[in-house]
Amino acid sequence: NAGVMQNPRHLVRRRGQEARLRCSPMKGHSHVYWYRQLPEEGLKFMVYLQKENIIDESGMPKERFSAEFPKEGPSILRIQQVVRGDSAAYFCASSPGRGGLTDTQYFGPGTRLTVL
Amino acid sequence: KQEVTQIPAALSVPEGENLVLNCSFTDSAIYNLQWFRQDPGKGLTSLLLIQSSQREQTSGRLNASLDKSSGRSTLYIAASQPGDSATYLCAVNPGNQFYFGTGTSLTVIP
Repeated sequence: NAGVMQNPRHLVRRRGQEARLRCSPMKGHSHVYWYRQLPEEGLKFMVYLQKENIIDESGMPKERFSAEFPKEGPSILRIQQVVRGDSAAYFCASSPGRGGLTDTQYFGPGTRLTVL
Repeated sequence: KQEVTQIPAALSVPEGENLVLNCSFTDSAIYNLQWFRQDPGKGLTSLLLIQSSQREQTSGRLNASLDKSSGRSTLYIAASQPGDSATYLCAVNPGNQFYFGTGTSLTVIP
């Protein structure tokens, strides 16, 4: 069973461009979470999604950031008009959803975004 | 708001020593607590998950304890090895998300 897949692993964008980060959860997992790790800071929750639904987006910046988890295909974290402060490692995690809030989350390897 | 603190921020020990990493959290209303390992430039590897009803979990040389009422967890590493060098992260789950500490950077000196 393959783990959580994220791509690309490294992404370089210039200021003002768009960044699209993809996450494929583990097989059989229907819940996806996105976290951001800024340099020298801990991981911070951004958004929690189930298929076709955003459950909790309390950690998402109000502007430029959006996330989706369509019925088919990977979850996408989209950052429009990137700025240097968006440079960070973005981690995706998935859980099966069967255990509810006691589920563990399995983390992907992350996408390292660098904004020039 | 849940806050997670890890002490010490960095630790250096000679190979073979036993060591303890500490984690404290401000809100005891959690479903579980998880310890992760993160190697430089890499993702997170789950080490141990403790549900709120449990007191401890063991895996090999690792033992994690949880005292939910006092908001504390410890990760005990026995007979440390150079390959244990990494950053260790504690995370608590009050529902829907994990709150992470900033980690303890461990160096095991051969």
